[in-house]
Amino acid sequence: DTAVSQTPKYLVTQMGNDKSIKCEQNLGHDTMYWYKQDSKKFLKIMFSYNNKELIINETVPNRFSPKSPDKAHLNLHINSLELGDSAVYFCASSQILTGQGQYFGPGTRLTVT
Amino acid sequence: GEDVEQSLFLSVREGDSSVINCTYTDSSSTYLYWYKQEPGAGLQLLTYIFSNMDMKQDQRLTVLLNKKDKHLSLRIADTQTGDSAIYFCAESKISGGYNKLIFGAGTRLAVHP
Repeated sequence: DTAVSQTPKYLVTQMGNDKSIKCEQNLGHDTMYWYKQDSKKFLKIMFSYNNKELIINETVPNRFSPKSPDKAHLNLHINSLELGDSAVYFCASSQILTGQGQYFGPGTRLTVT
Repeated sequence: GEDVEQSLFLSVREGDSSVINCTYTDSSSTYLYWYKQEPGAGLQLLTYIFSNMDMKQDQRLTVLLNKKDKHLSLRIADTQTGDSAIYFCAESKISGGYNKLIFGAGTRLAVHP
C-alpha cells in the first residue's frame, strides 16, 4: 500500500522511561514531519526533515530527538517521559516544492502513566 | 491555532449543505488546505487551493477563498453521515526558508438524520 505508516499505534509507558516511534513513507516524498495532537485536537508541528536534513525545529523540549536515517524514514525518540507528553503523535510527508499538501500517518497514541 | 481560527462545532441535517469557515493571518500563504479527521484516524487531505484562486470545486466539495479578508470556507454539498468528522483548515507559512503548515483547532461536524 502506498502510504505513511507509523509504529506502534498505541504506546503505554511509565514516567521516566525512554521510548521511540518509527515512521516510514513510500510516497517518494523528500520531506517528513512530526506533529503532536493534544487532547483538545490541537495539532502542532514539532520537527521537519528534508532529505535527511533538519529544517524545522519548533520549541520542543530537548528530551525529544528526531532521527532520519534516509528520506523515507523519520523516527522520534523521547527520553525521560513526562505525563504531559501524553498525546497522539502524527508523522507526515510531502514533496516540499509542490505545495500539494502533507500526507499523514495513522498516528501513535502515547499514554504516560 | 493562534494564527488560524475556526468555529468549533457545526451540526447539520443529512442531505443539507455544510459550510465550514476559517480565517487565517498570513497574507503571504501560498496554499491553503482542508483536512478531515475521523475518530481514531490520521488526517486525510481533502483539498487545497492556491492563493491566486477564488474557488475550487471537487465533486461535493467547494472551497472559496477571499484573500482580502483572509477567509477560507469549505462547502460540502448533500452532507452524509460519513462526513461526520473534524475538519481542519491549514495555512502554509514560511519558516527558515521552508513552508510549514499552521492548523486551526478544527471544526467538529455532526450530521444527523
